[in-house]
Amino acid sequence: QSVLTQPPSASGTPGQRVTISCSGSSSNIGSNYVYWYQQLPGTPPKVLISRNNLRPSGVPDRFSGSKSGTSASLAISRLRSEDEAEYYCAAWDDSLRGYVFGSGTKVTVL
Amino acid sequence: EVQLVESGGGLVKPGGSLRVSCAASGFTFSTYTMNWVRQAPGKGLEWVSSISSRSNYIYYVDSVKGRFTISRDNAKNSVYLQMNSLRAEDTAVYYCARDEGSEVLVAIGMDVWGQGTTVTVSS
Repeated sequence: QSVLTQPPSASGTPGQRVTISCSGSSSNIGSNYVYWYQQLPGTPPKVLISRNNLRPSGVPDRFSGSKSGTSASLAISRLRSEDEAEYYCAAWDDSLRGYVFGSGTKVTVL
Repeated sequence: EVQLVESGGGLVKPGGSLRVSCAASGFTFSTYTMNWVRQAPGKGLEWVSSISSRSNYIYYVDSVKGRFTISRDNAKNSVYLQMNSLRAEDTAVYYCARDEGSEVLVAIGMDVWGQGTTVTVSS
């Protein structure tokens, strides 16, 4: 059971917008930055969104992040086939004194 | 180019020990917190341990406390994870990840990841 709650799956057709939620608590998302990672099969995680809503250099502007209270979300607009991957949210937890991850959301492009 | 390269993974028997290493390049290693994150086969990501830039702050997930030790050598731009009393459930790919934090604010978020090294615990 992950500390951060994500839906196990999400899907959309090419060109659509998909949103992934990440729910936590006051000790993690509520008081620390949220990061989002994309993981393709057999590859390491790649940071998509840092510090709640910042896009690192090289990440397409189709990806955006937001945070409100103890929840965060990742939006993928203009969905493309190469966006099929597992997506994880993460944040530091002040109570556990460690990072917590969501269980991951598998995005399928129909 | 910012790069992290893990090494030292392998097959080890239950109860055995292994040390994995991570060599960093392309950035000022001594100013960043470093982390180990693992991923069991077919499972999600699990944070294992963090060490601040000057090693004054060290954290572990409960399941490895007393068995794993994180350390770093800033002169060698390297971070290590000594794993003792290994169990089958420690089988995973172990990733080294740079943190945007340092000593003042230890944990901000992980922004650079290595390719990982595979640890298999089996008799």
